[in-house]
Amino acid sequence: NAGVTQTPKFQVLKTGQSMTLQCAQDMNHNSMYWYRQDPGMGLRLIYYSASEGTTDKGEVPNGYNVSRLNKREFSLRLESAAPSQTSVYFCASATGVGYEQYFGPGTRLTVT
Amino acid sequence: GQQLNQSPQSMFIQEGEDVSMNCTSSSIFNTWLWYKQDPGEGPVLLIALYKAGELTSNGRLTAQFGITRKDSFLNISASIPSDVGIYFCAGDPKLPKTSYDKVIFGPGTSLSVIP
Repeated sequence: NAGVTQTPKFQVLKTGQSMTLQCAQDMNHNSMYWYRQDPGMGLRLIYYSASEGTTDKGEVPNGYNVSRLNKREFSLRLESAAPSQTSVYFCASATGVGYEQYFGPGTRLTVT
Repeated sequence: GQQLNQSPQSMFIQEGEDVSMNCTSSSIFNTWLWYKQDPGEGPVLLIALYKAGELTSNGRLTAQFGITRKDSFLNISASIPSDVGIYFCAGDPKLPKTSYDKVIFGPGTSLSVIP
């Protein structure tokens, strides 16, 4: 039982490049979330998916897109990376509406 | 918009000491959560509080939902080296278990324990 897994663990991009961060969970959870974490700012919600087939914007969605591919997988795409998107990205999942979220280990992204 | 403040920002304590930290807001929250993040890992939920005045323990950790609903407190008793990490509070102004899109995280308190 791996819980929430994220790939890659580290990534360096040049400004303007695109990439997709992958997230998968094996807990049969309905809800999935993408956060970014910046020093001194806590966690900020980018997008979330309350259930398979739905996605909604969080606090900081600009510059990102998401896809809930199936119940297990929720990907985050940066179409044209900018230095301001340098951050640590966390994926999380939960049984449903509620707060017992399980977080993945994070992806450390640097945009130069 | 709404935001949470955590204090202190960082703490250095001796092993065995008790720790207190708090989280405050200028507006009311109906749920308070405390998470711990170990270095290089994702946050892990420690305690969830759903009622004003509620006091909940998880081992050596005790958290309280402030009576004004604008603050919450976390205490750690008899600290040990594995308590090192960043402690985040999070709050939601909506009623418990109704949705998740409004949960807000505080900036964190960094705890270092000196053996």
